[in-house]
Amino acid sequence: QKEVEQNSGPLSVPEGAIASLNCTYSDRGSQSFFWYRQYSGKSPELIMSIYSNGDKEDGRFTAQLNKASQYVSLLIRDSQPSDSATYLCAPGYGANSKLTFGKGITLSVRP
Amino acid sequence: DVKVTQSSRYLVKRTGEKVFLECVQDMDHENMFWYRQDPGLGLRLIYFSYDVKMKEKGDIPEGYSVSREKKERFSLILESASTNQTSMYLCASGPRGHRQPQHFGDGTRLSIL
Repeated sequence: QKEVEQNSGPLSVPEGAIASLNCTYSDRGSQSFFWYRQYSGKSPELIMSIYSNGDKEDGRFTAQLNKASQYVSLLIRDSQPSDSATYLCAPGYGANSKLTFGKGITLSVRP
Repeated sequence: DVKVTQSSRYLVKRTGEKVFLECVQDMDHENMFWYRQDPGLGLRLIYFSYDVKMKEKGDIPEGYSVSREKKERFSLILESASTNQTSMYLCASGPRGHRQPQHFGDGTRLSIL
């Protein structure tokens, strides 16, 4: 059974701070990793993907991957109240882009 | 932009009814997926399809079936709805290949009374 663990939440940070969201996964065969954001009552939307060890930056978001430690994280710099949502970590496996989703961590950014 | 359209946002059905949830994507994706999402349990894969008429069971297929007669359309069928199938149902699609993300529809909130 493939498992994805996201650090316990909810996470609350003040506006302008850095939010750090962590995820560990069990399947060493995973080659692709995705972060989705889900606002309350809405469906998940893709915000970041990462495939190689190291950092990948996109605007205020940075994804970090360490395959040896089976660890992937998402940093949100200069957090805004509009970042308040649940963030889902999803490693991919197999040839058909199947994903295993973590249960998510809820981020609250305080004005 | 990828567009995944689910036929209903909200649906109320009765126990024992046969329920059809429809999903259409406009990006010519090979792969399509059905999930359910429940509080505390996260997103769980029910079925997926990697080609027309091809399907594979996910983690929780019991009580469900699927149909994919055309590439753009993937249907989820609850053969005899039960109250424990009350949930948010999410359809997703994605291109073939292990580096491809999935794109989600808006979801159908299904209540079985």
